[in-house]
Amino acid sequence: QKEVEQNSGPLSVPEGAIASLNCTYSDRGSQSFFWYRQYSGKSPELIMFIYSNGDKEDGRFTAQLNKASQYVSLLIRDSQPSDSATYLCAVRRTNAGKSTFGDGTTLTVKP
Amino acid sequence: GAVVSQHPSWVICKSGTSVKIECRSLDFQATTMFWYRQFPKQSLMLMATSNEGSKATYEQGVEKDKFLINHASLTLSTLTVTSAHPEDSSFYICSAREDRTRGQPQHFGDGTRLSIL
Repeated sequence: QKEVEQNSGPLSVPEGAIASLNCTYSDRGSQSFFWYRQYSGKSPELIMFIYSNGDKEDGRFTAQLNKASQYVSLLIRDSQPSDSATYLCAVRRTNAGKSTFGDGTTLTVKP
Repeated sequence: GAVVSQHPSWVICKSGTSVKIECRSLDFQATTMFWYRQFPKQSLMLMATSNEGSKATYEQGVEKDKFLINHASLTLSTLTVTSAHPEDSSFYICSAREDRTRGQPQHFGDGTRLSIL
């Protein structure tokens, strides 16, 4: 079992719909959770991070964290074709040197 | 804020050449830096983690003598691929994090595409 699991996809949604990306993790000591977006041929860029249970909203993006169930999700409202990318989930223990990344979910938003 | 600059963005060189890639944090102090490698359509693979002034910690299977990492200051880390061969051709990405506050995210450079002929 991988430490951080994501469905590889591809996840396909129509333009304007809500895209829901999920991530589960195995280390109960994880305290910090991050979502990155990676366009094809580019490096990852940070979208959001969340530390506490519940929802955190930033524009069209909402991160949701449930530590008891060990999952974190990313919702993208009003999806746009420009949101088509691979989304990487990363988790980290507070005092750990490195984060553990999932393999990513590929999202395609169709016009 | 949190800009990480990586140079060069593209390198093409002959087999046997050593190649140095620079990674700079422009507006924060990078207490911890990371080097990743990514092959086409594959996942990020962490190569090593380094702290300023300390030796890098390499992931299992990564050759220390092949991939030399120097994190000499809080704003600069370098990766040198020594005696590069075609199998070293890949997308190399650095990442940096400030650790004064707990739980900070890491920020990525734009990557270096290395092609060894």
